[in-house]
Amino acid sequence: EIVMTQSPDILSLSPGDRATLSCRASQSVTSNVAWYQKKPGQAPRLLIFGASTRATGIPGRFSGSGSGTDFILTITSLQIEDFAIYYCQQYHNWPPGVTFGPGTKVDIK
Amino acid sequence: QVHLVQSGAEVKKPGASVEVSCKASGYTFSIYTIHWVRQAPGQRLEWLGCINADNGDSKISQDFQGRVKLSRDTSAKTVSMELSSLRSEDSALYYCAKDGAAVYPAYWFDLWGQGTLVTVSS
Repeated sequence: EIVMTQSPDILSLSPGDRATLSCRASQSVTSNVAWYQKKPGQAPRLLIFGASTRATGIPGRFSGSGSGTDFILTITSLQIEDFAIYYCQQYHNWPPGVTFGPGTKVDIK
Repeated sequence: QVHLVQSGAEVKKPGASVEVSCKASGYTFSIYTIHWVRQAPGQRLEWLGCINADNGDSKISQDFQGRVKLSRDTSAKTVSMELSSLRSEDSALYYCAKDGAAVYPAYWFDLWGQGTLVTVSS
């Protein structure tokens, strides 16, 4: 199974700051990584797929980069509504299919 | 508007089965694969499997082989997930999610249901 790890566990930042979230795969997943935002009581929201392609309707302050085993989600100029948990997901091969990282919580400093 | 609407919360005893349904609207149901993902308290998201809404073919995670059954009703635009031999560790929020790519699944998810809480308790 491909294991996804994320760092840091918690990122404490202020509105207007830049957030840099990391995700690492236990083996190469080429560019088969997606990022999701999750808020309490809500379903996950797709932000990025293919490591760097923004999903429909996602603001330009969200960007993704990386390939192979190391990936980054960047949020430039954090807005109040961006404080949430962010999960990366790989979908490289079958089996085993899809696995998610443990999440990074972005909270208000 | 594109929506996935799931059935309501369930409370089950250990050893029982639970069925969760997911009704799609606002898009062409048959050309997108539907996936099932769960999240137990304090745990990461976990993929259970997926079903081709057109032909009904399913793929189940190895961790859930033999316990998860997926089905679909194309006339009702509804997909269902049955999880059997329930144990306390199966208590979680269960989501259905639409694949982001038409016809051939890409295994990333651009639309999620609201979630169904399943509680397993004696």
